[in-house]
Amino acid sequence: AQRVTQPEKLLSVFKGAPVELKCNYSYSGSPELFWYVQYSRQRLQLLLRHISRESIKGFTADLNKGETSFHLKKPFAQEEDSAMYYCALTGANNLFFGTGTRLTVIP
Amino acid sequence: GAGVSQTPSNKVTEKGKYVELRCDPISGHTALYWYRQSLGQGPEFLIYFQGTGAADDSGLPNDRFFAVRPEGSVSTLKIQRTERGDSAVYLCASSLLGGYRMMNTEAFFGQGTRLTVV
Repeated sequence: AQRVTQPEKLLSVFKGAPVELKCNYSYSGSPELFWYVQYSRQRLQLLLRHISRESIKGFTADLNKGETSFHLKKPFAQEEDSAMYYCALTGANNLFFGTGTRLTVIP
Repeated sequence: GAGVSQTPSNKVTEKGKYVELRCDPISGHTALYWYRQSLGQGPEFLIYFQGTGAADDSGLPNDRFFAVRPEGSVSTLKIQRTERGDSAVYLCASSLLGGYRMMNTEAFFGQGTRLTVV
């Protein structure tokens, strides 16, 4: 069965500090991993996906198959990064989400 | 349209009533997904359409829930005999491709319909 675990419901960091949002997954095949973000009063939107190997808004995420993790990182947090972050995986037919982490960047 | 549109944005209904929630996906998107999001939880998968057919309905919680997409565009999620536990935000998403090919595409979400069963 597929499962996405985000152990932290809430995470607060100071502006300029590094941030890491944790995501672990379990899936019997080879899933693709994503991070979605929801800013206040906005709809859920894609932040980045593993397959693109991209850096968006300074965020990166590395897939570690040995640890089955896909942690989201940013070296210097900004106030505008405050949002709800969801890790997700896709296997066969759907996009499966974790429970999310609310990131608050303190000025 | 410019994005995925869901109507109504808010719906309050009495326990036992029937409700329909509508989703207008982005034009040309073949894949359409319904999710349910309860307070403090991530989006929970309900059903996925590829074109007109339901390719995966394994997330529908019981037979009170049903969804259609008769022309491969607009979709309606139907809930019969609503219960207070059905209260949640119902999200719709669409993507150009679906299924295993989702890894190469992006899902665009609507703003959701907040359903409250009283």
